[in-house]
Amino acid sequence: AQSVSQHNHHVILSEAASLELGCNYSYGGTVNLFWYVQYPGQHLQLLLKYFSGDPLVKGIKGFEAEFIKSKFSFNLRKPSVQWSDTAEYFCAVKISYSWGKLQFGAGTQVVVTP
Amino acid sequence: NAGVMQNPRHLVRRRGQEARLRCSPMKGHSHVYWYRQLPEEGLKFMVYLQKENIIDESGMPKERFSAEFPKEGPSILRIQQVVRGDSAAYFCASSPPGLAGAEDTQYFGPGTRLTVL
Repeated sequence: AQSVSQHNHHVILSEAASLELGCNYSYGGTVNLFWYVQYPGQHLQLLLKYFSGDPLVKGIKGFEAEFIKSKFSFNLRKPSVQWSDTAEYFCAVKISYSWGKLQFGAGTQVVVTP
Repeated sequence: NAGVMQNPRHLVRRRGQEARLRCSPMKGHSHVYWYRQLPEEGLKFMVYLQKENIIDESGMPKERFSAEFPKEGPSILRIQQVVRGDSAAYFCASSPPGLAGAEDTQYFGPGTRLTVL
């Protein structure tokens, strides 16, 4: 069965610091990959997604993620965080060429201090 | 261009009562998904529906839980005889129609937070 692992449950960093959140999945076939963000009191919003093509994906709000197939990873990065990036971040995986369920990681709570 | 709508946003029930959660997908979307988020955990898939059809219910508990997406109206997630362990946030997502393999992305609603007393 496929699973998704997010390495850090809580991350605290200062404004202007760089952020990298790890995501690994276990599935041998072709997958679609997503990062969602949940700001306090709000619903999940899509940050970025990978279906095919360039493994370096750029999303909204200055985020990017790199798909490394050999490592089964899809890490999220932002060079310089802002206080408004305080949120919970979820990695999700879907088997390609199928509809249906997203498999989510447990989430990483990111707190950015002024 | 309304997004995915869910109501109620908060629902309080006593043990043994029924909970009915509603989800209206984005305009033009015909696929609906329900997920449950327990405290300190990520979202867990429950069920995937298209109009009048349950496509995948592999994440649904075997008893007390049911879901429907009728031809007209919102999708309903129904929990009978609720217990304290059902307290969670329930999220609905929708995606547009199309062939499997299209770049279908799920868009999420604000969730319903169910509290069972």
